[in-house]
Amino acid sequence: ETGVTQTPRHLVMGMTNKKSLKCEQHLGHNAMYWYKQSAKKPLELMFVYNFKEQTENNSVPSRFSPECPNSSHLFLHLHTLQPEDSALYLCASSHTGAGGYTFGSGTRLTVV
Amino acid sequence: GIQVEQSPPDLILQEGANSTLRCNFSDSVNNLQWFHQNPWGQLINLFYIPSGTKQNGRLSATTVATERYSLLYISSSQTTDSGVYFCAVGNTDKLIFGTGTRLQVFP
Repeated sequence: ETGVTQTPRHLVMGMTNKKSLKCEQHLGHNAMYWYKQSAKKPLELMFVYNFKEQTENNSVPSRFSPECPNSSHLFLHLHTLQPEDSALYLCASSHTGAGGYTFGSGTRLTVV
Repeated sequence: GIQVEQSPPDLILQEGANSTLRCNFSDSVNNLQWFHQNPWGQLINLFYIPSGTKQNGRLSATTVATERYSLLYISSSQTTDSGVYFCAVGNTDKLIFGTGTRLQVFP
Protein backbone atom coordinates (compact mmCIF):
# COMPACT_ATOMS: atom_id res chain seq x y z
CA GLU A 1 0.00 0.00 0.00
CA THR A 2 1.25 3.47 -0.86
CA GLY A 3 -1.06 5.50 1.37
CA VAL A 4 -3.52 6.13 -1.46
CA THR A 5 -6.28 3.53 -1.74
CA GLN A 6 -8.47 3.11 -4.80
CA THR A 7 -11.58 0.98 -5.06
CA PRO A 8 -12.63 -1.06 -6.87
CA ARG A 9 -9.46 -2.52 -8.43
CA HIS A 10 -11.40 -3.80 -11.43
CA LEU A 11 -14.73 -2.72 -12.89
CA VAL A 12 -16.72 -3.94 -15.87
CA MET A 13 -19.72 -1.82 -16.78
CA GLY A 14 -22.21 -1.52 -19.59
CA MET A 15 -22.62 1.69 -21.53
CA THR A 16 -25.91 2.50 -19.77
CA ASN A 17 -24.64 1.86 -16.23
CA LYS A 18 -23.73 4.38 -13.55
CA LYS A 19 -20.78 3.59 -11.31
CA SER A 20 -18.34 5.44 -9.08
CA LEU A 21 -14.62 5.12 -8.45
CA LYS A 22 -13.32 5.98 -5.00
CA CYS A 23 -9.95 7.29 -3.87
CA GLU A 24 -8.85 7.83 -0.29
CA GLN A 25 -5.58 9.18 1.12
CA HIS A 26 -4.38 9.53 4.71
CA LEU A 27 -1.08 11.23 3.97
CA GLY A 28 -2.21 14.71 5.00
CA HIS A 29 -2.01 15.90 1.40
CA ASN A 30 -4.25 18.73 0.23
CA ALA A 31 -4.18 18.13 -3.53
CA MET A 32 -5.76 15.16 -5.31
CA TYR A 33 -5.77 14.17 -8.97
CA TRP A 34 -7.44 11.86 -11.45
CA TYR A 35 -5.37 10.52 -14.35
CA LYS A 36 -6.38 8.22 -17.21
CA GLN A 37 -3.93 5.73 -18.69
CA SER A 38 -4.96 4.16 -21.99
CA ALA A 39 -2.97 1.62 -23.96
CA LYS A 40 -0.27 3.21 -26.13
CA LYS A 41 -0.88 6.69 -24.67
CA PRO A 42 0.82 8.79 -21.99
CA LEU A 43 -0.99 9.35 -18.71
CA GLU A 44 -3.59 12.06 -19.22
CA LEU A 45 -4.49 14.50 -16.47
CA MET A 46 -8.25 14.67 -15.98
CA PHE A 47 -8.97 16.70 -12.84
CA VAL A 48 -7.10 18.51 -10.06
CA TYR A 49 -8.48 19.41 -6.66
CA ASN A 50 -6.75 21.68 -4.15
CA PHE A 51 -8.26 21.97 -0.68
CA LYS A 52 -11.48 20.38 -2.06
CA GLU A 53 -11.79 22.95 -4.84
CA GLN A 54 -11.49 21.90 -8.48
CA THR A 55 -8.61 23.82 -10.05
CA GLU A 56 -8.23 21.90 -13.30
CA ASN A 57 -10.61 20.22 -15.71
CA ASN A 58 -8.59 19.06 -18.69
CA SER A 59 -11.47 19.16 -21.20
CA VAL A 60 -12.93 15.95 -19.83
CA PRO A 61 -16.34 14.86 -21.23
CA SER A 62 -19.27 15.42 -18.90
CA ARG A 63 -19.91 11.66 -18.63
CA PHE A 64 -17.05 11.81 -16.07
CA SER A 65 -18.09 13.75 -12.98
CA PRO A 66 -15.62 14.26 -10.12
CA GLU A 67 -16.51 14.91 -6.50
CA CYS A 68 -14.20 15.90 -3.65
CA PRO A 69 -16.11 16.10 -0.34
CA ASN A 70 -12.93 16.67 1.69
CA SER A 71 -9.16 16.70 1.25
CA SER A 72 -8.91 12.95 1.92
CA HIS A 73 -11.52 11.61 -0.48
CA LEU A 74 -12.02 11.87 -4.21
CA PHE A 75 -14.66 10.22 -6.35
CA LEU A 76 -15.14 9.83 -10.08
CA HIS A 77 -18.76 9.26 -11.06
CA LEU A 78 -19.25 7.51 -14.39
CA HIS A 79 -22.36 7.39 -16.56
CA THR A 80 -23.14 6.46 -20.16
CA LEU A 81 -19.52 5.66 -20.92
CA GLN A 82 -18.19 4.53 -24.29
CA PRO A 83 -15.96 1.52 -25.00
CA GLU A 84 -13.04 3.90 -25.70
CA ASP A 85 -13.26 5.00 -22.05
CA SER A 86 -11.85 1.61 -21.06
CA ALA A 87 -8.55 2.36 -19.33
CA LEU A 88 -6.64 2.37 -16.05
CA TYR A 89 -7.87 5.26 -13.88
CA LEU A 90 -5.27 6.45 -11.41
CA CYS A 91 -5.71 8.70 -8.40
CA ALA A 92 -2.81 10.59 -6.86
CA SER A 93 -2.26 13.05 -4.03
CA SER A 94 0.42 15.54 -3.03
CA HIS A 95 1.08 18.66 -1.00
CA THR A 96 0.00 21.62 -3.07
CA GLY A 97 2.90 23.12 -4.99
CA ALA A 98 5.58 20.94 -3.47
CA GLY A 99 6.76 17.41 -3.21
CA GLY A 100 6.16 14.23 -5.12
CA TYR A 101 2.91 12.59 -6.07
CA THR A 102 1.74 9.38 -4.41
CA PHE A 103 -0.38 7.23 -6.70
CA GLY A 104 -2.97 4.62 -5.86
CA SER A 105 -2.99 1.20 -7.50
CA GLY A 106 -5.63 2.26 -9.99
CA THR A 107 -9.01 0.99 -11.16
CA ARG A 108 -8.94 -0.98 -14.38
CA LEU A 109 -12.20 -0.10 -16.13
CA THR A 110 -13.71 -2.04 -19.00
CA VAL A 111 -16.78 -0.64 -20.76
CA VAL A 112 -18.77 -3.23 -22.70
CA GLY B 1 1.48 23.16 -23.75
CA ILE B 2 4.70 21.68 -22.44
CA GLN B 3 6.13 18.81 -24.49
CA VAL B 4 7.95 15.95 -22.76
CA GLU B 5 10.19 13.54 -24.64
CA GLN B 6 11.79 10.48 -23.14
CA SER B 7 14.55 8.34 -24.58
CA PRO B 8 15.17 5.60 -25.32
CA PRO B 9 11.62 4.25 -25.72
CA ASP B 10 12.79 0.71 -25.00
CA LEU B 11 15.83 -0.66 -23.21
CA ILE B 12 16.91 -4.25 -22.65
CA LEU B 13 19.63 -4.97 -20.12
CA GLN B 14 21.32 -7.90 -18.54
CA GLU B 15 21.30 -7.95 -14.75
CA GLY B 16 24.18 -5.94 -13.34
CA ALA B 17 24.36 -3.43 -16.18
CA ASN B 18 24.06 0.34 -15.77
CA SER B 19 21.74 2.61 -17.76
CA THR B 20 20.82 6.25 -18.28
CA LEU B 21 17.32 7.42 -19.15
CA ARG B 22 16.74 10.92 -20.50
CA CYS B 23 13.84 13.35 -20.29
CA ASN B 24 13.74 16.53 -22.39
CA PHE B 25 11.07 19.17 -21.91
CA SER B 26 10.10 22.17 -23.97
CA ASP B 27 9.55 24.92 -21.40
CA SER B 28 10.69 26.01 -17.97
CA VAL B 29 9.10 24.05 -15.13
CA ASN B 30 9.08 24.11 -11.35
CA ASN B 31 7.99 20.51 -10.89
CA LEU B 32 9.73 17.42 -12.27
CA GLN B 33 9.25 13.88 -11.03
CA TRP B 34 10.40 10.41 -12.05
CA PHE B 35 8.15 7.38 -11.60
CA HIS B 36 8.47 3.63 -12.05
CA GLN B 37 5.39 1.68 -13.14
CA ASN B 38 5.70 -2.01 -12.35
CA PRO B 39 4.14 -4.75 -14.49
CA TRP B 40 1.01 -4.67 -12.28
CA GLY B 41 0.39 -1.00 -13.02
CA GLN B 42 1.50 0.51 -9.72
CA LEU B 43 3.24 3.87 -10.13
CA ILE B 44 5.96 4.55 -7.59
CA ASN B 45 7.48 7.98 -7.14
CA LEU B 46 11.25 7.75 -7.46
CA PHE B 47 12.33 11.38 -7.30
CA TYR B 48 10.90 14.86 -6.96
CA ILE B 49 13.70 16.77 -8.64
CA PRO B 50 12.92 20.14 -10.28
CA SER B 51 16.65 20.88 -10.16
CA GLY B 52 19.92 19.47 -8.88
CA THR B 53 20.98 15.90 -8.12
CA LYS B 54 19.54 13.28 -5.80
CA GLN B 55 20.47 9.69 -5.02
CA ASN B 56 18.48 6.85 -3.54
CA GLY B 57 20.35 3.56 -3.39
CA ARG B 58 21.14 2.34 -6.90
CA LEU B 59 19.12 5.14 -8.46
CA SER B 60 20.13 8.73 -8.94
CA ALA B 61 18.72 11.63 -10.92
CA THR B 62 19.98 14.95 -12.19
CA THR B 63 17.93 17.83 -13.55
CA VAL B 64 19.52 20.73 -15.42
CA ALA B 65 16.58 23.09 -15.48
CA THR B 66 18.32 25.78 -17.53
CA GLU B 67 18.93 23.27 -20.32
CA ARG B 68 15.52 21.59 -19.92
CA TYR B 69 16.52 18.01 -19.36
CA SER B 70 16.71 15.41 -16.63
CA LEU B 71 18.58 12.13 -16.40
CA LEU B 72 17.78 9.02 -14.39
CA TYR B 73 20.68 6.66 -13.68
CA ILE B 74 20.16 3.03 -12.75
CA SER B 75 23.25 1.19 -11.58
CA SER B 76 23.71 -2.56 -11.14
CA SER B 77 20.26 -3.23 -12.57
CA GLN B 78 18.11 -6.03 -11.15
CA THR B 79 15.18 -7.92 -12.66
CA THR B 80 12.88 -6.05 -10.26
CA ASP B 81 13.86 -2.81 -12.02
CA SER B 82 11.82 -3.95 -15.04
CA GLY B 83 8.83 -1.83 -15.94
CA VAL B 84 8.17 1.58 -17.43
CA TYR B 85 9.94 4.72 -16.24
CA PHE B 86 8.04 7.98 -16.62
CA CYS B 87 9.23 11.52 -16.39
CA ALA B 88 6.55 14.09 -15.54
CA VAL B 89 6.97 17.86 -15.63
CA GLY B 90 4.88 20.93 -15.03
CA ASN B 91 4.18 24.08 -13.13
CA THR B 92 2.12 24.26 -9.98
CA ASP B 93 0.10 21.05 -9.78
CA LYS B 94 -0.48 20.24 -13.45
CA LEU B 95 1.97 17.46 -14.27
CA ILE B 96 2.41 16.33 -17.87
CA PHE B 97 3.78 12.83 -18.39
CA GLY B 98 6.16 11.62 -21.06
CA THR B 99 5.55 8.41 -23.00
CA GLY B 100 8.00 6.49 -20.86
CA THR B 101 11.01 4.21 -21.26
CA ARG B 102 10.19 0.50 -21.10
CA LEU B 103 13.02 -1.33 -19.33
CA GLN B 104 13.47 -5.09 -19.35
CA VAL B 105 16.20 -6.60 -17.20
CA PHE B 106 17.09 -10.23 -17.83
CA PRO B 107 18.99 -12.50 -15.43
